[in-house]
Amino acid sequence: AQTVTQSQPEMSVQEAETVTLSCTYDTSENNYYLFWYKQPPSRQMILVIRQEAYKQQNATENRFSVNFQKAAKSFSLKISDSQLGDTAMYFCAFMKGRGAQKLVFGQGTRLTINP
Amino acid sequence: EAQVTQNPRYLITVTGKKLTVTCSQNMNHEYMSWYRQDPGLGLRQIYYSMNVEVTDKGDVPEGYKVSRKEKRNFPLILESPSPNQTSLYFCASSFAGFDGYTFGSGTRLTVV
Repeated sequence: AQTVTQSQPEMSVQEAETVTLSCTYDTSENNYYLFWYKQPPSRQMILVIRQEAYKQQNATENRFSVNFQKAAKSFSLKISDSQLGDTAMYFCAFMKGRGAQKLVFGQGTRLTINP
Repeated sequence: EAQVTQNPRYLITVTGKKLTVTCSQNMNHEYMSWYRQDPGLGLRQIYYSMNVEVTDKGDVPEGYKVSRKEKRNFPLILESPSPNQTSLYFCASSFAGFDGYTFGSGTRLTVV
């Protein structure tokens, strides 16, 4: 079974700084998908970024980028120029292949951006 | 606006009293899922559906039922709720699964 581990329960940075959230996963699959979801205090789950395992290029969405290291099974999220609105829980998630319909989530990292 | 709508947002009930949490999506998505979120455990899948009348168990299906009679609706049914089902529940839908899921705004359920 696949597992996802987020080793940082909480993080705190100053506004405008860059922060990196860690995520590792365990799988024997070769083709899979990885996601980062943001959950602000409103508790809405918002898709931030996704990565396809067979693509070597790291995904980027505006201030959000990932460092995908397939051999190391690592999928970290970098937030540049952090803003107060980035304060949220962040969840890393794994999906096995195209036919799978289950997201396996990590435990989450609570990120606080301080003014 | 493309969205997944869950109701109710908050629910307090007593042990054993049957309840239904509704979920509806307006994006014509094939795939729908239910998750529960508990502190320190992240989100865990309860049930999923790949099409009308096609449902299957996720990781924590005990005590729950679902149905998919129409493409847009995917209700979660607790026939006899117990306190260990106190949790935050999310419905989610997707066009193809691997493209990412759109989540509803969650239902906070408390069973006393």
